[in-house]
This record gives sequence, structure tokens and C-alpha cells, in this order.
Amino acid sequence: EAQVTQNPRYLITVTGKKLTVTCSQNMNHEYMSWYRQDPGLGLRQIYYSMNVEVTDKGDVPEGYKVSRKEKRNFPLILESPSPNQTSLYFCASSFGGELFFGEGSRLTVL
Amino acid sequence: QKEVEQNSGPLSVPEGAIASLNCTYSDRGSQSFFWYRQYSGKSPELIMSIYSNGDKEDGRFTAQLNKASQYVSLLIRDSQPSDSATYLCAVNFGNQFYFGTGTSLTVIP
Repeated sequence: EAQVTQNPRYLITVTGKKLTVTCSQNMNHEYMSWYRQDPGLGLRQIYYSMNVEVTDKGDVPEGYKVSRKEKRNFPLILESPSPNQTSLYFCASSFGGELFFGEGSRLTVL
Repeated sequence: QKEVEQNSGPLSVPEGAIASLNCTYSDRGSQSFFWYRQYSGKSPELIMSIYSNGDKEDGRFTAQLNKASQYVSLLIRDSQPSDSATYLCAVNFGNQFYFGTGTSLTVIP
């Protein structure tokens, strides 16, 4: 089954404790991206990757890092999370411009 | 800053009616346009994509694009209660995607 898998789905952490949200796709898509979704602000792109070892900033990259060492994986790293990073995060891969989303990861930073 | 604007609603229509959802975008260089449906607590799923001016129909859904007016719309014919969801308009510019805040649709049986 074609899918984008994110883990963890739910996470409560504390300010400053590094965390990684993993994202994996099995569709051999070159393009992958991360979004956060906040009430009243909609989906905003954090980072995207056109291919292995190629990443670039989206609209809201501050406080986040990504890496793309393999085509299928695109982890999102929060080196020092802060409460304003409490949000619902989606990973997506794309073919032909059409995005396929993971199930989302709800992150709470206390 | 590229902007995508949608009426947040909520929009309520009776079952069987036509639901009309609208979206405007700020950047004339935008290349591709998409409508996603998002049920509460779920991830967005693609309903329609449209790349050129005019109408594109897929079953009960019709997307309309007018690049001169920077306007995209989605019509849902014969609306069903299962269509109740938030509809997100998305615009592709270069390698980035920009989303509206979504329109909440409720179809009343």
C-alpha cells in the first residue's frame, strides 16, 4: 500500500529536549516536505527536499532542521523545542505536484 | 509573502445542493492549483488538481481556474453528508506549496 508514515503520532515533551519526528514514504517520490498546521493559520511549509541531499527552507523554518540521506526518509528535527512549536505536523511526498500526506504528528511542548 | 485566501465559513448546504468554495491567491506566477479535503482529525487528501484556465470535472467535483482574476473555485454537486469536511485550497509556486486556512463545509441531511 502506498503511504507516508510518520512517527510518533503523539508526543508531549519539555522545552529544550531534542526530538526527531520521522517520515518515510514507499512511493519512490523525489519531493518530500514538512508542514505545521495551526488554528487560523492553516498549513505552512517548514522545509522541503527535491531529492537526496537537497533540502531548502519553506515559509517557517526557524527552530527546525531536516536531513535527506535516503530517498524514502525525511526526518524533522527540533534541536531545542519551545512551546511555540506546539502544533500538528504533517509530512508529505509529491509526484507531479500532488501531495500525499502522512497521518500527522501532534506535538506538545511544555 | 505569497497568500492564499479562503472564506473560512462555516458553509452549510442541504443534502443534494451544490456547494461552492472559493479561493484567491496573490502571486501571478503560481503554476498549479489544488483542492484538498480534510476530515476532522485526519490528514489532507487530494480531491482535484488544475493547471490551466477553465473547468475540470471529476465526478461530482468541478474545479475552475481563472488566472487573470487569480481565482480558483471548487463546486460540489449533489452534496452528501460525507462531504462535510474542511476544504483546503493550495497553490504551487516554484518548489513551494502555499495553503489557505480552509473552508469548513457542513452538508445537512
